[in-house]
Amino acid sequence: AQKITQTQPGMFVQEKEAVTLDCTYDTSDQSYGLFWYKQPSSGEMIFLIYQGSYDEQNATEGRYSLNFQKARKSANLVISASQLGDSAMYFCAMREGPSGYSTLTFGKGTMLLVSP
Amino acid sequence: GAVVSQHPSWVICKSGTSVKIECRSLDFQATTMFWYRQFPKQSLMLMATSNEGSKATYEQGVEKDKFLINHASLTLSTLTVTSAHPEDSSFYICSAGGPGQGGDTQYFGPGTRLTVL
Repeated sequence: AQKITQTQPGMFVQEKEAVTLDCTYDTSDQSYGLFWYKQPSSGEMIFLIYQGSYDEQNATEGRYSLNFQKARKSANLVISASQLGDSAMYFCAMREGPSGYSTLTFGKGTMLLVSP
Repeated sequence: GAVVSQHPSWVICKSGTSVKIECRSLDFQATTMFWYRQFPKQSLMLMATSNEGSKATYEQGVEKDKFLINHASLTLSTLTVTSAHPEDSSFYICSAGGPGQGGDTQYFGPGTRLTVL
């Protein structure tokens, strides 16, 4: 079974609208971390947001927020007020265990296209 | 903070030659670095975990003699693709474990695009 599932291969959104990118995960660990990364066409992986399994509040970073629903094992990324520069590939990833030096497992990604 | 650099950003080489890619953590020390490979329109595939001062841990199916990893210092890890062939053409990206939100986070380098002719 896949550990990270991103069911949306591609998403379209108009500029200034909000968009939700889905991510579900599978783990039996109690301590884990969930990440979202953005990969523009240049290839670099840009860290966006982090949610720890014990964090009670949903993580927020500027226009990015993570809708963490632990019982459903979902960690959806919400981008508010989309901008043209948000067009990129977005990857959800999970770190199992408490250590930041544990490996990350990535989903297959969602390509987001923002139109004017 | 937490910047990771990679060099070179792209390289073209002839089949049979070896290529070395460097990954550096610029403003923090990283005892652990990771090497990934990414094919076009696919996700990142972990190749190996590199620990400073010890042998790298390779993922299943990754040839350790083909992809040599050296983590000689707390800020530098290198990946050498030995006797490269066209099927080794790919995007190689490293990351380093560093201080971040709620614990430690992996910070990624900008990647190296390898083309083997």
